Amino acid sequence: GAVVSQHPSRVICKSGTSVKIECRSLDFQATTMFWYRQFPKQSLMLMATSNEGSKATYEQGVEKDKFLINHASLTLSTLTVTSAHPEDSSFYICSARPTGNQPQHFGDGTRLSIL
Amino acid sequence: DQQVKQNSPSLSVQEGRISILNCDYTNSMFDYFLWYKKYPAEGPTFLISISSIKDKNEDGRFTVFLNKSAKHLSLHIVPSQPGDSAVYFCAYVQGGSEKLVFGKGTKLTVNP
Repeated sequence: GAVVSQHPSRVICKSGTSVKIECRSLDFQATTMFWYRQFPKQSLMLMATSNEGSKATYEQGVEKDKFLINHASLTLSTLTVTSAHPEDSSFYICSARPTGNQPQHFGDGTRLSIL
Repeated sequence: DQQVKQNSPSLSVQEGRISILNCDYTNSMFDYFLWYKKYPAEGPTFLISISSIKDKNEDGRFTVFLNKSAKHLSLHIVPSQPGDSAVYFCAYVQGGSEKLVFGKGTKLTVNP
């Protein structure tokens, strides 16, 4: 089945650090990938839609200068949390949808902890 | 305002019995609903879906029911197994887009 790989699985770093998270579709090409964030006891909330070869589409309230998205190839999207602060600590997860009538497949997520 | 509500944060059932997970929604503009299952430290995995034109979809032990007049969705697992213990999310795909809107999830525990 379709596999989405996300790396790293966990990051702990100091406030002010920029953190890059990678999302790869391993056995299919994805022109569109999605980035979600989940705070404790909350829903997975869509942050942005990553579009291969063009700018990402951000959801309302998500700072595009804070969360930089690059989708340079059909199998890789990256999310960079710039100058991360403790309030950015969360679970970040990406997804991609293979072509055809298939649902979105998710990576295993990245637990980001900013000290 | 939450568009997808899973009002039970947790559910505990005995092995072999039926598990019923519920989901209510407010927005009628959807193409289909999906249920995802999530184990700790892993991403959600797709379980079963139902399109807006159906009222039931069955796949093995899993059956999803859609009541559009009540804006209510339920997932039935029968018989429940200990390996079914996980957090279950319902989500819908917004009409005309690929965006998923998730509920908060229900943690299911199936006791041996």
